[in-house]
Amino acid sequence: DTGVSQNPRHKITKRGQNVTFRCDPISEHNRLYWYRQTLGQGPEFLTYFQNEAQLEKSRLLSDRFSAERPKGSFSTLEIQRTEQGDSAMYLCASSRRGHINTGELFFGEGSRLTVL
Amino acid sequence: DQQVKQNSPSLSVQEGRISILNCDYTNSMFDYFLWYKKYPAEGPTFLISISSIKDKNEDGRFTVFLNKSAKHLSLHIVPSQPGDSAVYFCAASATGGGNKLTFGTGTQLKVEL
Repeated sequence: DTGVSQNPRHKITKRGQNVTFRCDPISEHNRLYWYRQTLGQGPEFLTYFQNEAQLEKSRLLSDRFSAERPKGSFSTLEIQRTEQGDSAMYLCASSRRGHINTGELFFGEGSRLTVL
Repeated sequence: DQQVKQNSPSLSVQEGRISILNCDYTNSMFDYFLWYKKYPAEGPTFLISISSIKDKNEDGRFTVFLNKSAKHLSLHIVPSQPGDSAVYFCAASATGGGNKLTFGTGTQLKVEL
């Protein structure tokens, strides 16, 4: 039983560069979520997909951020022209629509971004 | 606008005693509440949840209580063990919200020997 996988685990980049993170959800899960977590805060919702459709985006997600889930399987989160304020842990989670037992999300280990 | 609040950033208890972690929420649309546990360098892992139609849910050493009128929930851990030392996040969701969770800021629990 493989869980949610995220790559890379840690990315260090210079301000102004573009970065891309990848998330592979649990295989039978059709919903995929991106969250961002900074020090001392809880995870903050960024966006989510149901299959390949992006259903909601937070206003936290500026125009420099774009997420895709082209075939309803893995997803990518790209940040263009990175800024120091983008430094955070980017968490991916997945769930199964209609999973009424607990409504829980299954999280990956996260991708830590450091912008110098 | 913090819709889910955990006002205690940290809590220290002795092994074997009860740990009580608190959470308050402001959004009346929330109808499902969850607790997640997070170790350093790992993603959050689900611990226990409760629906708004209940006021208590128990799973082994973990019990969650919900007081809808006060918009307050709490997580009780009895007995506390050193392995319980972690950051605990309270989270909430609303029906029709696509299972999107809104998290609190977390409480760092330290269980001392």
